[in-house]
Amino acid sequence: DTAVSQTPKYLVTQMGNDKSIKCEQNLGHDTMYWYKQDSKKFLKIMFSYNNKELIINETVPNRFSPKSPDKAHLNLHINSLELGDSAVYFCASSQIGQRSTNEKLFFGSGTQLSVL
Amino acid sequence: GESVGLHLPTLSVQEGDNSIINCAYSNSASDYFIWYKQESGKGPQFIIDIRSNMDKRQGQRVTVLLNKTVKHLSLQIAATQPGDSAVYFCAENGSSNTGKLIFGQGTTLQVKP
Repeated sequence: DTAVSQTPKYLVTQMGNDKSIKCEQNLGHDTMYWYKQDSKKFLKIMFSYNNKELIINETVPNRFSPKSPDKAHLNLHINSLELGDSAVYFCASSQIGQRSTNEKLFFGSGTQLSVL
Repeated sequence: GESVGLHLPTLSVQEGDNSIINCAYSNSASDYFIWYKQESGKGPQFIIDIRSNMDKRQGQRVTVLLNKTVKHLSLQIAATQPGDSAVYFCAENGSSNTGKLIFGQGTTLQVKP
């Protein structure tokens, strides 16, 4: 029944490794997002996809590569992990539609990434 | 640049009292505003939203007030309960129509029994 689900919940890895976080939404929304929350709880958008098309890329290092195989899924792959990548990553979705009106985002429960 | 801020990082209230959490935004082009609640270990949960053509909106025990003149947003929680303890975020859409939300720093609400 979970509307936006992301896995894994926790991810602990060594510097230099490559890792992926998966996200799926069953709300029928057309837009999905990745947000990063730092240790001070600040939430910042990283990427957004609308119907599998990238519409927002907020100057994120190209070690981060989102992939959207269909509009219900948005995965995040991170290459060559660095200490500064440690954070909580949230997936979210919303329905923008053709009117491009803002609507609330529905968030997943987060993936806590710890890079050692 | 665009920013949304909150006046207080932590708010402590007595159970049963009303809570008011404030937020200042900077982008006058924003026409959509939203409050989220984030409990420990969870993702942000929607509380209430408001569009710029309104100045007040009420939900169950919550009220959002929007003052566009001074670019100020507030969340009022009536009869605060221990379960209301969480971090509260305001967010705005800025000048974007991509669905992107710009979040403030967050206010931690502590409810004392």
